[in-house]
Amino acid sequence: EPEVTQTPSHQVTQMGQEVILRCVPISNHLYFYWYRQILGQKVEFLVSFYNNEISEKSEIFDDQFSVERPDGSNFTLKIRSTKLEDSAMYFCASRGEALYGYTFGSGTRLTVV
Amino acid sequence: KNEVEQSPQNLTAQEGEFITINCSYSVGISALHWLQQHPGGGIVSLFMLSSGKKKHGRLIATINIQEKHSSLHITASHPRDSAVYICAVMGKGAGSYQLTFGKGTKLSVIP
Repeated sequence: EPEVTQTPSHQVTQMGQEVILRCVPISNHLYFYWYRQILGQKVEFLVSFYNNEISEKSEIFDDQFSVERPDGSNFTLKIRSTKLEDSAMYFCASRGEALYGYTFGSGTRLTVV
Repeated sequence: KNEVEQSPQNLTAQEGEFITINCSYSVGISALHWLQQHPGGGIVSLFMLSSGKKKHGRLIATINIQEKHSSLHITASHPRDSAVYICAVMGKGAGSYQLTFGKGTKLSVIP
C-alpha cells in the first residue's frame, strides 16, 4: 500500500533555531497538507499546497512558516525561528484528484527546548 | 467555520462489547473521515463517507447528512482496538478540502 513518509520521526531543537520537516507524499497525489497536533489537543490544519503553490493556510501559518516542494517528490515545512509553543506532532498528508485516498504520514514529533 | 464535536471523550469497554462513538458537525460537508490514532501518534484513515454506511471487518461507519451526524461502531471489541478515534470533516465547494478535526475519543478495551 502506498505510504506518505515523514522524516525525522523526532526532532529536538533549541528555541530560535530553524527546522525543516520533510515529507514524501504518494507519488501520483496532487494535493499536499501539513497539520499539527499539540500534545493533548486536536489536530489543526496549517497549510495546503497544490500546483506548486499554497492554496489555503490557517491563522497558525504565519511568516515563521513556509512550505516548499523543491524537487517534485519532497514536500517540506520550514519553521524559521522556533518557539516553545511550536512543540507538537506535525503530520503531512496527501491526496489525489478525488476526495478519496487522503493519506497521512506517521508524523514528526518536534520538541523545542 | 465547522465545529466538530465527538462523544464520548473517553470510553472503557470490556472485550467483546459493542462500541459506538458519535460525531456531529455544524456546517454542511462534502465528506467525513473516521481516523484512528495509536499511542505512537500516527494517524490511519479508517473510512471516508459522504452518505449512507460503510463496513470494514468489525468496523461500521454511518452518516446522516441531514442531521449532520455520524457514528462509528465497533462490534466484538478487542484490546487491539484501543486507540483514539477521530472524526474529521471536509468542507463543501471549491477549495483544498482540508480537514477539520474533532478532539477524539479515547477507547480502552479491557480483556
